Amino acid sequence: DQQVKQNSPSLSVQEGRISILNCDYTNSMFDYFLWYKKYPAEGPTFLISISSIKDKNEDGRFTVFLNKSAKHLSLHIVPSQPGDSAVYFCAASSGTYKYIFGTGTRLKVLA
Amino acid sequence: DAGVIQSPRHEVTEMGQEVTLRCKPISGHNSLFWYRQTMMRGLELLIYFNNNVPIDDSGMPEDRFSAKMPNASFSTLKIQPSEPRDSAVYFCASIPEIEERYNEQFFGPGTRLTVL
Repeated sequence: DQQVKQNSPSLSVQEGRISILNCDYTNSMFDYFLWYKKYPAEGPTFLISISSIKDKNEDGRFTVFLNKSAKHLSLHIVPSQPGDSAVYFCAASSGTYKYIFGTGTRLKVLA
Repeated sequence: DAGVIQSPRHEVTEMGQEVTLRCKPISGHNSLFWYRQTMMRGLELLIYFNNNVPIDDSGMPEDRFSAKMPNASFSTLKIQPSEPRDSAVYFCASIPEIEERYNEQFFGPGTRLTVL
């Protein structure tokens, strides 16, 4: 049973527009969430994180929103750039180093 | 810093053969994780080590899988015998200090395993 779900396997967005990647989770004990980005033939790299005491965290073009009541988080990329084309994984943890990852969403930013 | 190093990058083998994947964590990192990536299940944690000691191997799928960390700079993941359903990308990751849970995990480039 997937505790962290990314229901959209792929997403295409025009350059300059907003990309919104979604993630849902089932375990209410999760209190720390992360997004990782993965390019082909490379390992995932950390992008941004958020603690459950917050509902928003921003880092440049990247913003993560957390809706605890809906058990939902999203990653917004504004403006989207061709270099953002990658697979994005969300991950969650419940007080430990152990992260539960989703299946990933492949983002394609069209020039 | 060279980052996390994994070898081989690609491995093609036949069913029943033994496969050994290797990982060198970032120098000074004392915790190491092995993950498996598949389309259906995403990134799954298989096992992690702290100070060379296996702490949690609950993600290891079955007895055919084993992992060792003989020293702070080297770990292996072995599959014996291998099966076609083991085909996946295997990642190794390390972090400086496991007690600090907000530490980012640094991933290696992965080993793509194909079992025919």
